[in-house]
Amino acid sequence: QVQLVESGGGVVQPGRSLRLSCAASGFTFSTYGMHWVRQAPGKGLEWVAVISYDGSNKYYADSVKGRFTISRDNFKNTLYLQMNSLRAEDTAVYYCAKGRVRYSDGRDYFDYWGQGTLVTVSS
Amino acid sequence: EIVMTQSPATLSVSPGERATLSCRASQSVSSNLAWYQQKPGQAPRLLIYGASTRATGIPARFSGSGSGTEFTLTISSLQSEDFAVYYCQQYSNWKGAFGQGTKVEIK
Repeated sequence: QVQLVESGGGVVQPGRSLRLSCAASGFTFSTYGMHWVRQAPGKGLEWVAVISYDGSNKYYADSVKGRFTISRDNFKNTLYLQMNSLRAEDTAVYYCAKGRVRYSDGRDYFDYWGQGTLVTVSS
Repeated sequence: EIVMTQSPATLSVSPGERATLSCRASQSVSSNLAWYQQKPGQAPRLLIYGASTRATGIPARFSGSGSGTEFTLTISSLQSEDFAVYYCQQYSNWKGAFGQGTKVEIK
């Protein structure tokens, strides 16, 4: 069965960096686009970034563009989110989510989600 | 940027009654619209994609309709497990924006 397991969250000071990982199993990782979606405490869902199945296309929400970098390792079946220059407003649970459509260019919806990893940005 | 607006913010419904949730896009997204259900402490679950197609394992009491800019999620007869927050999401462009959510609570 499909499993997505995020890791790397924690408490970090403003301005510092953090890298999240999402280990995928149960499907052919290299053929699906992958996304990061976040949810601030008590708030709604916010799409963060997408990477196409082969890594050739990457897109970001305006709120994180220039600070966050999405990447993937199709040999390790792992998705990453490098977060730099973190701000208090980046505090959230970060979910990785699998795109539904094989070989999608990234414009997709999400059929599986991880359980999320909490990132807290605080001094 | 496409903005998704859901209404109402909160819907109070008695078990067994029908619930109708709305989602509006600031510009046409064709049928590139999905609905998700989220319960406290859980990840969201895909309910509907393509505006009207139920995802695998989703009960028939959930139905979606609409295209362009106006969409509706209907739960025909609310069960206890349906009380949750529901989000719409457009995937017409790269920035897969979500609506702000509708909380369906017990009346």
